[in-house]
Amino acid sequence: DAKTTQPPSMDCAEGRAANLPCNHSTISGNEYVYWYRQIHSQGPQYIIHGLKNNETNEMASLIITEDRKSSTLILPHATLRDTAVYYCIVRFAGSSASKIIFGSGTRLSIRP
Amino acid sequence: NAGVTQTPKFQVLKTGQSMTLQCAQDMNHNSMYWYRQDPGMGLRLIYYSASEGTTDKGEVPNGYNVSRLNKREFSLRLESAAPSQTSVYFCASSEETGPPGEQYFGPGTRLTVT
Repeated sequence: DAKTTQPPSMDCAEGRAANLPCNHSTISGNEYVYWYRQIHSQGPQYIIHGLKNNETNEMASLIITEDRKSSTLILPHATLRDTAVYYCIVRFAGSSASKIIFGSGTRLSIRP
Repeated sequence: NAGVTQTPKFQVLKTGQSMTLQCAQDMNHNSMYWYRQDPGMGLRLIYYSASEGTTDKGEVPNGYNVSRLNKREFSLRLESAAPSQTSVYFCASSEETGPPGEQYFGPGTRLTVT
């Protein structure tokens, strides 16, 4: 599985869009980009994933560059409850149960 | 539908004691995982099970054993606990048909080894 690089911390004003970057320059053609978050000391929560195209769901949007070497998770209207550690993960699509390798993530703080 | 459940929620062990962490999921998922998370760190995969009857090592398997008892249950055993195994342990499950599925995590077991 390809390695990812994320900034260790970021902050964002409440109500504004939070844009979390992730570099995955060694990603291969059959690897997906996944985002999870972990609020306080709870279990991680799935947010979104994508392969090539941009994706949007009720929680967030995922923008993947054309060369797939980086991506951005967008929380469109951040709230205090979005304060969490956000993990960007690259994962092989082909095996029956490919393991997920979590990095250190980005600690996002939302300020009032 | 409880999702992924873990027992116990908290545990304190003395060095050398053994214990088993239990995990169960009610989503009929094929794949199950055990992770540990040390303070201020990301999650590290200990073992995973692609399907009932199979288990594979993750990043940090030493000092642990696992059993996939049936499709629902995946247990993690510490045979001789060490202070270095003080951590929060998370179990997860996923349905892996076609593209990799999202993993659903349990609430965690907080283990302290003195």
